[in-house]
Amino acid sequence: DTGVSQDPRHKITKRGQNVTFRCDPISEHNRLYWYRQTLGQGPEFLTYFQNEAQLEKSRLLSDRFSAERPKGSFSTLEIQRTEQGDSAMYLCASSSRNRDDTQYFGPGTRLTVL
Amino acid sequence: KNEVEQSPQNLTAQEGEFITINCSYSVGISALHWLQQHPGGGIVSLFMLSSGKKKHGRLIATINIQEKHSSLHITASHPRDSAVYICAGEGTASKLTFGTGTRLQVTL
Repeated sequence: DTGVSQDPRHKITKRGQNVTFRCDPISEHNRLYWYRQTLGQGPEFLTYFQNEAQLEKSRLLSDRFSAERPKGSFSTLEIQRTEQGDSAMYLCASSSRNRDDTQYFGPGTRLTVL
Repeated sequence: KNEVEQSPQNLTAQEGEFITINCSYSVGISALHWLQQHPGGGIVSLFMLSSGKKKHGRLIATINIQEKHSSLHITASHPRDSAVYICAGEGTASKLTFGTGTRLQVTL
């Protein structure tokens, strides 16, 4: 257990539905990252927060994707009008710029879009 | 061509063997990370390197900045080392660009 939690761990949804995932980082970590990993591939960067500010978004993050970190603590990632191609593992990581900047990963949320 | 490439993609070794996994990168990075991923998805950070060599137990990581190459070595491999090993380059804002991973299976 790295101290980063994600909820839910698994989500099965039908195409066209909206889904929301939550990430709770290690409490003193000011940086939070979202990654997506498809089968057999390494993770890909989606977006990054420093405190509550979303500082960078990947081109992979289409307008159907939105992420928030309203109080600089937990974060949510919402996917609207899900497509089968959204099926993947969604990983959250947090780090502290004031420490060694090592990213600590959550267990991930596995999304299956039918 | 991926910005971070690993080899081999798959590796099978017998218990006790010395293992090397290679990583090459084509972009400017501030550090190179080695991570371990077990079935089910959990990722653990093993090393973060910006130069030279680091050792932790039976694991050794090296980096050659001029050649843009890093290696992860496992000495006296054990079945519990079976996992996917991923290297990642750290860019701006500590954003990681990952390789596709090396799946290691250590047999008795």
